[in-house]
Amino acid sequence: SQQGEEDPQALSIQEGENATMNCSYKTSINNLQWYRQNSGRGLVHLILIRSNEREKHSGRLRVTLDTSKKSSSLLITASRAADTASYFCATVLTGGFKTIFGAGTRLFVKA
Amino acid sequence: DAGVTQSPTHLIKTRGQQVTLRCSPKSGHDTVSWYQQALGQGPQFIFQYYEEEERQRGNFPDRFSGHQFPNYSSELNVNALWLGDSALYLCASSPDRDTEAFFGQGTRLTVV
Repeated sequence: SQQGEEDPQALSIQEGENATMNCSYKTSINNLQWYRQNSGRGLVHLILIRSNEREKHSGRLRVTLDTSKKSSSLLITASRAADTASYFCATVLTGGFKTIFGAGTRLFVKA
Repeated sequence: DAGVTQSPTHLIKTRGQQVTLRCSPKSGHDTVSWYQQALGQGPQFIFQYYEEEERQRGNFPDRFSGHQFPNYSSELNVNALWLGDSALYLCASSPDRDTEAFFGQGTRLTVV
């Protein structure tokens, strides 16, 4: 079963709007990462947030982590058509090396 | 810096055959992980190599094996291919487990 589950599975918004994606996980983690994938090719790393951090920013991206609820969110502000992609959260379990990905959120930004 | 490179980009094999996929990690990275991604799904962890040893393995059968060379490059071998092995195979490298991973563009394997 998946450690990380993204919600929603798909999201369609207008250019300029904000997009929020959520991720829930089941067990204790070292860190949580968000990746983007275009057209089924390689994944691009967006942000890594460690288990002792609550929020991180990178450009138009904002990630929060709530370890008590075992959940994270990715906010993309002022979205652009180029943000159209699949977004995945990935977790590394405490004491482990295995990175576990969720099934992803498909984001479509309409120009 | 060429980043993570994978070869070949596409491959078609017949059921029952064997395949070898190759990965060169980003310069300075000694940890290589392999993933299988079926269409419409997230990547599934196959295994991770560090210092030429398999450090952790996901829920994949023994038909999936790997190797890491002294220069940190890696191979993924799949024996007795099934139709269900058709997927995008991704390689990722990192300097250690607690940092971001850099992914290659993947090898698209089709088993017919």
